Amino acid sequence: KNEVEQSPQNLTAQEGEFITINCSYSVGISALHWLQQHPGGGIVSLFMLSSGKKKHGRLIATINIQEKHSSLHITASHPRDSAVYICAVPPDTGTASKLTFGTGTRLQVTL
Amino acid sequence: EPEVTQTPSHQVTQMGQEVILRCVPISNHLYFYWYRQILGQKVEFLVSFYNNEISEKSEIFDDQFSVERPDGSNFTLKIRSTKLEDSAMYFCASSPQGYEQYFGPGTRLTVT
Repeated sequence: KNEVEQSPQNLTAQEGEFITINCSYSVGISALHWLQQHPGGGIVSLFMLSSGKKKHGRLIATINIQEKHSSLHITASHPRDSAVYICAVPPDTGTASKLTFGTGTRLQVTL
Repeated sequence: EPEVTQTPSHQVTQMGQEVILRCVPISNHLYFYWYRQILGQKVEFLVSFYNNEISEKSEIFDDQFSVERPDGSNFTLKIRSTKLEDSAMYFCASSPQGYEQYFGPGTRLTVT
């Protein structure tokens, strides 16, 4: 089973700050998911990445497959970024389903 | 942009009743999943479905649960004889090739 650890568990930032959320996993994988969970509970897929870096607007995700580590960065954070950010990984490189989820990082961005 | 939809958004049911949670995956996707999240806990995998059959299920997915794709568009999760501990957010996801998964907004199930 792939063990997933996220840090920090909680993060408070002021508007405009650069945010970094980290995710480590124990078993080599083919790709990792970053998800956003809104206060109402709904989940939105942000990224799936298997190598290098992906960028979408103010969000940047990086992954180092060899080190089994990924980071999610938010540039110029805004109160609307307040949410829980979750990373999720498959059990190994051979399968893609049955994601294992981290506990999430609760981000609050204040004015 | 196509998206996964789920109905209802909130379901309240009495213990012992059967519930059916419905999902409409993205058209042309071939892989389907159900996950659940008990309040305050991590999201957990329940079951994956491909080619009209279950491809994998977790230990949570016991005989109380069943999944079906009744008409080629809907993907349903049935919970027979609900228990208090079934109260959770249930998420459906679909995938075109079994890698990138697209999540629905979830159904909050409350068992009283």
